[in-house]
Amino acid sequence: DTQMTQSPSSLSAFVGDRVTITCRASQTISNYLHWYQHKPGKAPKLLIYGASRLQSGVPSRFSGSGSGTDFTLTITSLQPEDFTTYYCQQTYNFPLTFGGGTKVEIK
Amino acid sequence: QITLEESGPTLVKPTQTLTLTCTFSGLSLSTSGVGMGWIRQPPGGALEWLALIYYDDDKRYSPSLRSRLTITKDTSKNQVDLTMTNMGPVDTATYFCAHSSSIVATNVYFFDYWGQGTRVTVSS
Repeated sequence: DTQMTQSPSSLSAFVGDRVTITCRASQTISNYLHWYQHKPGKAPKLLIYGASRLQSGVPSRFSGSGSGTDFTLTITSLQPEDFTTYYCQQTYNFPLTFGGGTKVEIK
Repeated sequence: QITLEESGPTLVKPTQTLTLTCTFSGLSLSTSGVGMGWIRQPPGGALEWLALIYYDDDKRYSPSLRSRLTITKDTSKNQVDLTMTNMGPVDTATYFCAHSSSIVATNVYFFDYWGQGTRVTVSS
């Protein structure tokens, strides 16, 4: 199985801050890496697919980069609605696997 | 408008079989390259992929749960079912269905639409 390691598991930031979340795969996954935002009780929301492609309707303050084994999700200028949990996921091989999540909290 | 809604029992007893249904609209499972998956999240835990069924009825399962899972689709009803046998307390979770699409002309697929999930508790 391809293990996905997200870091940090949680972080505190101010509104307006720039934050970066990293995701490392235990083996190369090319650009088969996607990022989701998940608010409690809501449907997870696709933010970034193919490592760097912004899903339609997602604000441009979200961006993704990386290839191979190391990936990042960057949120520039955090907004109040961004304080929630983020997951990375690989679809390069089965079983599909998610990272452990990063909870972004208000400082 | 695209919607996905999971339905099924909220409480099942240990050893029972769980059947969940995902009913969707605004999407088609007949389109080449698309699929529908099931993912779960235990209380306080991370997301765990369970199963995926493609437009052509190809099916994939989590190896750790393969012997307990069956995924099926009814394209005419816009529904996808997941059956999980021999339920136990560790299967207590919120279960999500999600539609999968791919980047055109590639195999890079992802879950672009999700339901809100249905909470299932396993307890006697």
